[in-house]
Amino acid sequence: QVTLKESGPVLVKPTETLTLTCTVSGFSLNITKFGVTWIRQPPGKALEWLAHIFSNDEKSYSTSLKSRVTISKDVSRGQVVLTMANMGPVDTGTYYCARMTAGYCSGGRCRMHWFDPWGPGTLVTVSS
Amino acid sequence: DIQMTQSPSSLSASVGDRVSITCRASQSISIHLNWYQHAPGKAPKILIYAASVLQTGVPSRFSGGGSGTDFTLTISRLQPEDFGTYYCQQSHSSPLTFGQGTRLEI
Repeated sequence: QVTLKESGPVLVKPTETLTLTCTVSGFSLNITKFGVTWIRQPPGKALEWLAHIFSNDEKSYSTSLKSRVTISKDVSRGQVVLTMANMGPVDTGTYYCARMTAGYCSGGRCRMHWFDPWGPGTLVTVSS
Repeated sequence: DIQMTQSPSSLSASVGDRVSITCRASQSISIHLNWYQHAPGKAPKILIYAASVLQTGVPSRFSGGGSGTDFTLTISRLQPEDFGTYYCQQSHSSPLTFGQGTRLEI
């Protein structure tokens, strides 16, 4: 059974750096067709994609957040870590991680990913 | 970035109704389009990937179609458990992007 679970602080002060960990089980982070992504949802707003990382360590970031966000993985621990610098009240929300599965892979490059399953999410509040 | 626009933003329907949600991409994304259901208090759930492929375990009343820039999610016979917010998401190119969501009230 594939599961993911987010962990990290529930409360962060403005200007601090948020570090969230996604612990996965049931699959390996070094399998070509899989990756892990982070998505968040501010209260009452839409889902927002933040970043992803693939088995070959290829990373991608949201255009609006790329200067503040870093994603990394530890295959041996089955963990993917997201850090977000200079947190502000607008960053309050539920943060999810999810497994990415590729529709097809060719020449070592995979495409047409979907997110399944998702972790239960973790609510992060930014407040002094 | 590829912009994803859903319509309507919200809709109200009754059990047994057939409803459709549309999603338009700002440029062609072939069939690299996924649909998710987000029920209150739960994690989002994949319904359809590659525009029209039903994820294992998802009821057959859900269907998807389209290619290029225009896509549709259809629920043929609404059930009470179908309420929530539905999102499209493009996986054609990074940065990946979601639509703004369609809130379905039963």
